Amino acid sequence: GEDVEQSLFLSVREGDSSVINCTYTDSSSTYLYWYKQEPGAGLQLLTYIFSNMDMKQDQRLTVLLNKKDKHLSLRIADTQTGDSAIYFCAERDSGGYQKVTFGTGTKLQVIP
Amino acid sequence: EAGVTQFPSHSVIEKGQTVTLRCDPISGHDNLYWYRRVMGKEIKFLLHFVKESKQDESGMPNNRFLAERTGGTYSTLKVQPAELEDSGVYFCASSQGGINEQFFGPGTRLTVL
Repeated sequence: GEDVEQSLFLSVREGDSSVINCTYTDSSSTYLYWYKQEPGAGLQLLTYIFSNMDMKQDQRLTVLLNKKDKHLSLRIADTQTGDSAIYFCAERDSGGYQKVTFGTGTKLQVIP
Repeated sequence: EAGVTQFPSHSVIEKGQTVTLRCDPISGHDNLYWYRRVMGKEIKFLLHFVKESKQDESGMPNNRFLAERTGGTYSTLKVQPAELEDSGVYFCASSQGGINEQFFGPGTRLTVL
């Protein structure tokens, strides 16, 4: 079955860049997502990338996709304390059921 | 527009008891999903409704879990009888379908003692 892996924890200083990495196994993935979960809140879709793209930029966020290595990363420029949260990588396969497979989540801690 | 809501936000029950979780999707969303996150692990898909029909229930762990969506509006997820390993956060999400984003609720934290 599909598998998505992430490191569990990342700590950065305010103002630095954060890079959260993710690997996945399903070669038929069509969409890859980054979700953010703040304490006590639901999952918020941050950004997504189609599998035929290799980069997407949205303000402070840059998503890089290496489809050959099945590696996805999220870079947050000028990280702020408000960016502290759990970040989930997720992929959706090409099947009709739209099932989304999530990683374990990376807890980002921003140190002031 | 109201988002996806879930009730209760937290439930503590004893092993062997029954618990029913409720999800109210965004109005007009035909697709409704249930996911579960066990402590420190990945968020796992449980099932997917399209309106009132179960489209995919491949993630349901066993027959102690029963999901319904009568009338195609809100959904309930019943766990009967609850076991210790059922503890976790249960998320509900809804979408309009196609490639559209799944909007998540805040989750219900279930603790089975």
